[in-house]
Amino acid sequence: NAGVTQTPKFRVLKTGQSMTLLCAQDMNHEYMYWYRQDPGMGLRLIHYSVGEGTTAKGEVPDGYNVSRLKKQNFLLGLESAAPSQTSVYFCASSYTLYEQYFGPGTRLTVT
Amino acid sequence: GNSVTQMEGPVTLSEEAFLTINCTYTATGYPSLFWYVQYPGEGLQLLLKATKADDKGSNKGFEATYRKETTSFHLEKGSVQVSDSAVYFCALPTISSGSARQLTFGSGTQLTVLP
Repeated sequence: NAGVTQTPKFRVLKTGQSMTLLCAQDMNHEYMYWYRQDPGMGLRLIHYSVGEGTTAKGEVPDGYNVSRLKKQNFLLGLESAAPSQTSVYFCASSYTLYEQYFGPGTRLTVT
Repeated sequence: GNSVTQMEGPVTLSEEAFLTINCTYTATGYPSLFWYVQYPGEGLQLLLKATKADDKGSNKGFEATYRKETTSFHLEKGSVQVSDSAVYFCALPTISSGSARQLTFGSGTQLTVLP
């Protein structure tokens, strides 16, 4: 039982490049979330999904897109990376809506 | 909407010292309250929770009491260890504009325990 895994762990992008972050969970959870963590700002919700084939915007969705084609996977895409998107990205999943299980994070730097 | 205000850090303590990390909330009704912990290099994990007013959540020697009179959920531990060094987040549910429930996290408090 791996829990929540994230790929990649680290990435450096140049401004304007695109990339996709992959989140996978093996707990059969309906709910999945993408957060970004910045110093002094805690976690901010980017997008979330309440089930396969559904997605919704969170607090800071601009510049990001997501897809949930399979229940176990939740992808976060950056179409044209900007330095303001330098952050640590966490994926989480949950069964009960409130008790969330987090992945180890992806550290992204945009130069 | 619901919000949480957390004590700013960083907090540095010696081993076996008493720990308090303050958390106050603003909410409609009496939502469940949570403390999450993030160890270095890892994602967040649930530390404890309280689902109604006057409940006490506890885990790994940590405790927090849901106090509706003071709208607080302070985290306490009687004797901290070096292994408790981490970032601690207070959290509560909130309803988004799309009517889906989410967690709102505080800004986090960095705790460092020195041997």
